[in-house]
Amino acid sequence: GENVEQHPSTLSVQEGDSAVIKCTYSDSASNYFPWYKQELGKRPQLIIDIRSNVGEKKDQRIAVTLNKTAKHFSLHITETQPEDSAVYFCAASISQAGTALIFGKGTTLSVSS
Amino acid sequence: GAVVSQHPSWVICKSGTSVKIECRSLDFQATTMFWYRQFPKQSLMLMATSNEGSKATYEQGVEKDKFLINHASLTLSTLTVTSAHPEDSSFYICSARDLLRRTETQYFGPGTRLLVL
Repeated sequence: GENVEQHPSTLSVQEGDSAVIKCTYSDSASNYFPWYKQELGKRPQLIIDIRSNVGEKKDQRIAVTLNKTAKHFSLHITETQPEDSAVYFCAASISQAGTALIFGKGTTLSVSS
Repeated sequence: GAVVSQHPSWVICKSGTSVKIECRSLDFQATTMFWYRQFPKQSLMLMATSNEGSKATYEQGVEKDKFLINHASLTLSTLTVTSAHPEDSSFYICSARDLLRRTETQYFGPGTRLLVL
């Protein structure tokens, strides 16, 4: 089955700096890669996703890149703000009926002002 | 749109009792729902996939007789933790997909925090 590795496990940056979180996946059939932000005690919130027919996607300060050949994808947050502090999870799935998301172990991002 | 609710939001029970958690899709039909478990400071671990009208598919290592899943309608899936023990204490989160309109996106419920004494 699919296995998703995520690095780093913790990341501390200064406000205004950029943050990058990287993930690799094992199943070449995976073609959907979302990123979730989870605050303590809350449900995961989808922040951005990318499909395998696209190499990069951007939404304001957030961008995701995908290298399907190397089976890795990354989350980029620019101009970080204290409210970006949370746990971020990458995930992978096969875009077919009934396929679950397999999550990475998460990255705790701390943005200090 | 695409709202998923869970009930209860938290529950405390005695060891040996059973606890039922409900997951509802409020504004779409969820032919497939997923149940995850999350221990403190850990990731979401998939427990089972629940398909409406059929038996759930459990992940390796998840006891199907202990974690009973029922997906009797297109808007409701239930997870029953039978004979709960302290090691079952965790954050249980469901998610749902609307295969009629939104293929890949999973919408998560708010989670249920279970504490077994």
